[in-house]
Amino acid sequence: GENVEQHPSTLSVQEGDSAVIKCTYSDSASNYFPWYKQELGKRPQLIIDIRSNVGEKKDQRIAVTLNKTAKHFSLHITETQPEDSAVYFCAAKAGNNAGNMLTFGGGTRLMVKP
Amino acid sequence: DVKVTQSSRYLVKRTGEKVFLECVQDMDHENMFWYRQDPGLGLRLIYFSYDVKMKEKGDIPEGYSVSREKKERFSLILESASTNQTSMYLCASSPGQTNSPLHFGNGTRLTVT
Repeated sequence: GENVEQHPSTLSVQEGDSAVIKCTYSDSASNYFPWYKQELGKRPQLIIDIRSNVGEKKDQRIAVTLNKTAKHFSLHITETQPEDSAVYFCAAKAGNNAGNMLTFGGGTRLMVKP
Repeated sequence: DVKVTQSSRYLVKRTGEKVFLECVQDMDHENMFWYRQDPGLGLRLIYFSYDVKMKEKGDIPEGYSVSREKKERFSLILESASTNQTSMYLCASSPGQTNSPLHFGNGTRLTVT
């Protein structure tokens, strides 16, 4: 089955700096890579996703890049703000699984210091 | 807005008890999921269902079973709770279309003593 590794497990940045979270996956058939944000005490919510036919996607201050050859993808947050503090999860979906089953990484706790 | 409701926010049970975790979604989603969340391990899939009365094992199904008798309701059952099942349990749903986003419930923190 799919295996997703996520690094770092914790990340502390100063407000205004950039933050980068990296994930690797094992199944070369995976074709969909979402990122979820979980604020303290709240449910995970989708913030951005990328499909395997695209190398990069941006949405305001967040961007995701995908390198299919190396089987890794990254989340980039620019101009970080205190409200970006949360746990971020990457995930991957193999191309041939029913029900949109995702395999998640272990999560990254991002702390943005004012 | 999609609403996924889990019946309990906190639950304390004793070892050996049978435990039911209930999840209801109000958006007529085909897919429903049960995940377990533990620090450093991310979200691990226990079971999922892509239709009424259909179920598929996820990555960690041992010690759990599920029931989906109606489209809107997906129940997770711990037949005989053990202390290593102490965890946060998250239910999610999604439409049947490929690559649809997951909509999560608020979670149930289960403690087994």
